[in-house]
Amino acid sequence: GAVVSQHPSRVICKSGTSVKIECRSLDFQATTMFWYRQFPKQSLMLMATSNEGSKATYEQGVEKDKFLINHASLTLSTLTVTSAHPEDSSFYICSATSSRLSSYNEQFFGPGTRLTVL
Amino acid sequence: SQQGEEDPQALSIQEGENATMNCSYKTSINNLQWYRQNSGRGLVHLILIRSNEREKHSGRLRVTLDTSKKSSSLLITASRAADTASYFCATAHSGGYQKVTFGTGTKLQVIP
Repeated sequence: GAVVSQHPSRVICKSGTSVKIECRSLDFQATTMFWYRQFPKQSLMLMATSNEGSKATYEQGVEKDKFLINHASLTLSTLTVTSAHPEDSSFYICSATSSRLSSYNEQFFGPGTRLTVL
Repeated sequence: SQQGEEDPQALSIQEGENATMNCSYKTSINNLQWYRQNSGRGLVHLILIRSNEREKHSGRLRVTLDTSKKSSSLLITASRAADTASYFCATAHSGGYQKVTFGTGTKLQVIP
């Protein structure tokens, strides 16, 4: 149980285009979903926290107009990178928590999406 | 910054040896978690230790927590080549907020 999927796993796009990444909790309803970005050989940096039906909370320094997060249901959150540029190339990982599955903030991670902007 | 720091940054050992990784953090925590990440993949949750616990075991993993020193260690015994991965600690901070902060990670290589 507690499986999180991401789609696509890998995407290459041209500079200036927008890319949407989906994060789904497959066998549980997620109380909260998180979006992280990971640059090569670095740790995960939290970008934003989203709860179903409410606006995402962005971390300092993350542009909310550039990284649009929609959390339409308890099993789906999407991250849209708008007007992508080469510096947005990174590994994007989502995670989900459920107060029913874990009362100790255990996060269940998706497999990640590798974004390359040409 | 609340981000934890881990040492060593990289560790290379022979199969069968034990691997120890350390994590230090700066503020009070609710719990501390260890995750594993294979190259280019998502994270896998390994073990969680609460702030009122001092030691926890799971299979070949042993985690200790010293809240007075704000540090934790992860010991992998009898390492295998398949243990080769990056290991991250993540701290959930006091205050009821679900957000966790990841450490800088230790890259472990187990040589067959």
